[in-house]
Amino acid sequence: DAGVIQSPRHEVTEMGQEVTLRCKPISGHNSLFWYRQTMMRGLELLIYFNNNVPIDDSGMPEDRFSAKMPNASFSTLKIQPSEPRDSAVYFCASSPTGDEQFFGPGTRLTVL
Amino acid sequence: AQSVTQLDSQVPVFEEAPVELRCNYSSSVSVYLFWYVQYPNQGLQLLLKYLSGSTLVKGINGFEAEFNKSQTSFHLRKPSVHISDTAEYFCAVSPWGATNKLIFGTGTLLAVQP
Repeated sequence: DAGVIQSPRHEVTEMGQEVTLRCKPISGHNSLFWYRQTMMRGLELLIYFNNNVPIDDSGMPEDRFSAKMPNASFSTLKIQPSEPRDSAVYFCASSPTGDEQFFGPGTRLTVL
Repeated sequence: AQSVTQLDSQVPVFEEAPVELRCNYSSSVSVYLFWYVQYPNQGLQLLLKYLSGSTLVKGINGFEAEFNKSQTSFHLRKPSVHISDTAEYFCAVSPWGATNKLIFGTGTLLAVQP
């Protein structure tokens, strides 16, 4: 298996622009997670889905952030409008019904 | 609620020396405990986990950790490190039975020097 796939790996954009991050989980995994990693706040869970349904979005910082999972093999995290403080590495992870999460390589977002 | 404390932000060590990375947690309920490793420019990879049973847990790459309930600790150890072990190590906790709710520590950078 190719593991969790994220695209793009790097994104540089200007403040106010819309940003869409993409994730393909490992086939057969029921849960999908979006994390944000920054120097100041460390690794934070933004949202997680179970069987394509959002279960807990309490970590989503504000209404500018939204996440969707239209099917079992694809999820997006959208920021609109983006701000410089959104600059971070965003990780997607997936998990079978169990106890281990498998992380993707991350998307490094820079908002100028 | 749960929380994780990794007191050491960076641990320098010489190659072939032993190392211990410290992790303490706080929780009002029983927990599961994890150690993840993050190599430069990569995602996190599970090293080992404690769910139940033996308090000494062995993981990949020669690492092991011991769950100490009375001290609420889950320190990671390796008897002899290699240059390739240089990475960021994260301790994480989840409430028992709710492994979807991982709470991560701030990480410890293990810097192995020749």
